[in-house]
Amino acid sequence: KNEVEQSPQNLTAQEGEFITINCSYSVGISALHWLQQHPGGGIVSLFMLSSGKKKHGRLIATINIQEKHSSLHITASHPRDSAVYICAVRSGTDKLIFGTGTRLQVFP
Amino acid sequence: ETGVTQTPRHLVMGMTNKKSLKCEQHLGHNAMYWYKQSAKKPLELMFVYNFKEQTENNSVPSRFSPECPNSSHLFLHLHTLQPEDSALYLCASSPGHHWGGYTFGSGTRLTVV
Repeated sequence: KNEVEQSPQNLTAQEGEFITINCSYSVGISALHWLQQHPGGGIVSLFMLSSGKKKHGRLIATINIQEKHSSLHITASHPRDSAVYICAVRSGTDKLIFGTGTRLQVFP
Repeated sequence: ETGVTQTPRHLVMGMTNKKSLKCEQHLGHNAMYWYKQSAKKPLELMFVYNFKEQTENNSVPSRFSPECPNSSHLFLHLHTLQPEDSALYLCASSPGHHWGGYTFGSGTRLTVV
């Protein structure tokens, strides 16, 4: 069992829908990252958080340390949001443990 | 461009070839990483360098040989690879301190034939 689990694995949505991607982890962490990977392969860091909530544009990330759970929300989704969203946690030493990712497709 | 540049973007090599992947960052970061991403698997950490010193080797086979001549450059030398080594190889950098974020390169798509 992976130390970082994401759900769902695949997600399709219509443009404009509100989207939620979940991440649960089983280790103690110092920070959690949400990453976005487009089909070309490059990865962009969306958020790094250790408590509470962060917002950037239409993206919102929350984390509950006690429950070892984080969510990434996308409001008013758009086809350009189509990508793989990856949750990663920093545990102990300076390295990340990654989830398997959630593939999101947003249709017009 | 994210600030971390990887070359080449695509590489096809035979099992007896020797090739190198290059990663470069001018973000002033002190830590650099190699990750491997295989189909349907989470990213796997391969190597970590802090201030040019290797601080982590995640049980990577010796046919992968990293080199970090300075804090801005990281190489991955490849020799006698196997078809199962075909994957996306991603480089990342970070400030190296506890709260630093990561910046990833666009990756090199490697195919071993």
